[in-house]
Amino acid sequence: TQLLEQSPQFLSIQEGENLTVYCNSSSVFSSLQWYRQEPGEGPVLLVTVVTGGEVKKLKRLTFQFGDARKDSSLHITAAQPGDTGLYLCAGVRSNDYKLSFGAGTTVTVRA
Amino acid sequence: KAGVTQTPRYLIKTRGQQVTLSCSPISGHRSVSWYQQTPGQGLQFLFEYFSETQRNKGNFPGRFSGRQFSNSRSEMNVSTLELGDSALYLCASSLAGGDNYGYTFGSGTRLTVV
Repeated sequence: TQLLEQSPQFLSIQEGENLTVYCNSSSVFSSLQWYRQEPGEGPVLLVTVVTGGEVKKLKRLTFQFGDARKDSSLHITAAQPGDTGLYLCAGVRSNDYKLSFGAGTTVTVRA
Repeated sequence: KAGVTQTPRYLIKTRGQQVTLSCSPISGHRSVSWYQQTPGQGLQFLFEYFSETQRNKGNFPGRFSGRQFSNSRSEMNVSTLELGDSALYLCASSLAGGDNYGYTFGSGTRLTVV
């Protein structure tokens, strides 16, 4: 059983549409991180959220951390083909020295 | 600054053999973590080292081991390889591990066991 549940597993949308990926858990995290991974490469950090209720914006990407620090979401506005990839959420729990990953969401943006 | 370097990039081994993978973290990072990624299981945590000490270990058999050197470079070893060990092995470095600044991953070592 994954500590972090991501949904949906797959997303295929047309260029210009919006999308949201969800990451949920019953555990409390000191931080939640979002990564994007290309085939055959390691994940690349997009953002870290640490405060409950925090919202961070990175150009067309908006990240939210739930008030209870158990869930997070990633919203992409006006998706582009370059946004295609595997999106992974990962959390760090207090006094834990490891990142726990969700199963990932494969996003495909069609031109 | 240089990123996280993993060597080798690709490896093909035969069942029963052993393998050693290497990871050089970002300069100044003292925590190194290892992950196994497979299509079916996703990213699974193997272990984490900080200042040459293993602080946390995932649910993998004892065939999987690792170590960290005084310069923070790390190696992981898998003995008596099985077909199911075929995976992308990723190393990640961070300042102190479990911190909120994010982890930097290497490009991974693709291990194929035949």
